[in-house]
Amino acid sequence: NAGVTQTPKFQVLKTGQSMTLQCAQDMNHNSMYWYRQDPGMGLRLIYYSASEGTTDKGEVPNGYNVSRLNKREFSLRLESAAPSQTSVYFCASSDILGQGKLFFGSGTQLSVL
Amino acid sequence: RKEVEQDPGPFNVPEGATVAFNCTYSNSASQSFFWYRQDCRKEPKLLMSVYSSGNEDGRFTAQLNRASQYISLLIRDSKLSDSATYLCVVNAGANNLFFGTGTRLTVIP
Repeated sequence: NAGVTQTPKFQVLKTGQSMTLQCAQDMNHNSMYWYRQDPGMGLRLIYYSASEGTTDKGEVPNGYNVSRLNKREFSLRLESAAPSQTSVYFCASSDILGQGKLFFGSGTQLSVL
Repeated sequence: RKEVEQDPGPFNVPEGATVAFNCTYSNSASQSFFWYRQDCRKEPKLLMSVYSSGNEDGRFTAQLNRASQYISLLIRDSKLSDSATYLCVVNAGANNLFFGTGTRLTVIP
C-alpha cells in the first residue's frame, strides 16, 4: 500500500506565484488534512475535510484554498505565495475525524523567495 | 499558554540507557493522547496511543497523569535507531488536535 502520496517533494516559488500541492490516499479514509510545520512550532492545521464534499478551515487558513476532489484526493492551493508560507507541508488522513491516529504523506518542502 | 508543551531537548543518551520524556497539556477536557515519532526530514508516524491505564509496546511505555495534566514516554534499552524527534499529540475534542513541538533524542554509540 502506498498510504498517503504527496507531490511535489520540493518546490521553490517567487512571491506572487501560485501552485497546487497534491495529495492522495489509498486507505479509504474519510478525513483528510493539510498541516504546515515550521521550526520551533508544532504542526498547525491549515484546512481539513471531514468527508468527501466538505472542507473546513483549521488554525492557519489564510492564503490557502483546498479542494476535496473525491474520497481519495485533497489538494492545497496557494493563490499568491508569500515568504511567510515558506514551510514544510504535510497531508494526512484518518478514518475518523480528529481521532488522532493520522497517516502522513512524506511532505513538501516549499520555499517562497 | 501553549496547548501542548514539550522540552525540545536534545536528549543525548548512550546506547542501552533508559530515557523519559514528558509532555504537558493545558486543556483538562482533553480526551485522547498519542506519541508520534518523526525522523529528520521525514513525516511523523504514530508510535503509540496513550491510555488512562498506561500502555507498553516492547521497550516503549506511555503513561497518562490526568491530575497533573501530562503524558510521558519511557524508552528502555535505547537503540541507535531510536534517534528521532518525539511529538506529543493531544486531542481536546471536536477535531481540536494539538501537536507539541517535539523532543529530540540522539542515542550515542
